[in-house]
Amino acid sequence: GAVVSQHPSWVICKSGTSVKIECRSLDFQATTMFWYRQFPKQSLMLMATSNEGSKATYEQGVEKDKFLINHASLTLSTLTVTSAHPEDSSFYICSAPTSGPYNEQFFGPGTRLTVL
Amino acid sequence: GNSVTQMEGPVTLSEEAFLTINCTYTATGYPSLFWYVQYPGEGLQLLLKATKADDKGSNKGFEATYRKETTSFHLEKGSVQVSDSAVYFCALSESYSGNTPLVFGKGTRLSVIA
Repeated sequence: GAVVSQHPSWVICKSGTSVKIECRSLDFQATTMFWYRQFPKQSLMLMATSNEGSKATYEQGVEKDKFLINHASLTLSTLTVTSAHPEDSSFYICSAPTSGPYNEQFFGPGTRLTVL
Repeated sequence: GNSVTQMEGPVTLSEEAFLTINCTYTATGYPSLFWYVQYPGEGLQLLLKATKADDKGSNKGFEATYRKETTSFHLEKGSVQVSDSAVYFCALSESYSGNTPLVFGKGTRLSVIA
């Protein structure tokens, strides 16, 4: 199947700094990518829909200025957590659908963010 | 809004035991239903899916039937193996298209011991 990668797989940063997480579709193009967040023992919650060439669509309650999303190309979307705080510590997962009428979403392995 | 509820884990079974992981959903319209599996250190992988009522999804010995009357999509396998140890997520989508985001349950961790 198709492959989606994320980088880094884990990151530790100090409070107040910004962290960028990359999501790449390695062998297919994706005009749309999704960013999810997962707290321990909780389900994955959709944060935003990343659209190539246009602004991301954020879910209710997700701060646009804090979680900056850039879908710069058909194979790359980035999530930047700005001025990170300990409450932003979480597992961030991206997914990308392949093309076609019965397409499927493929998920990245996730990025563990720890803010000290 | 849409939601998915699945049984809490962890679930620990002996090899060759029968597995059931319960999943129920709340949705408007006619959602598509999915089971995803996450092996340690890997991303979520689609295990099976069903796009309409009474459909049965199956893969790798796992099965789940879309039951509209009980709003359920329980995952079953007749004989689990150690290699089935993973976290299983039930999910729904408002359409069969992969361009629609998914709503997930909390996940159920399965450990199979030899």
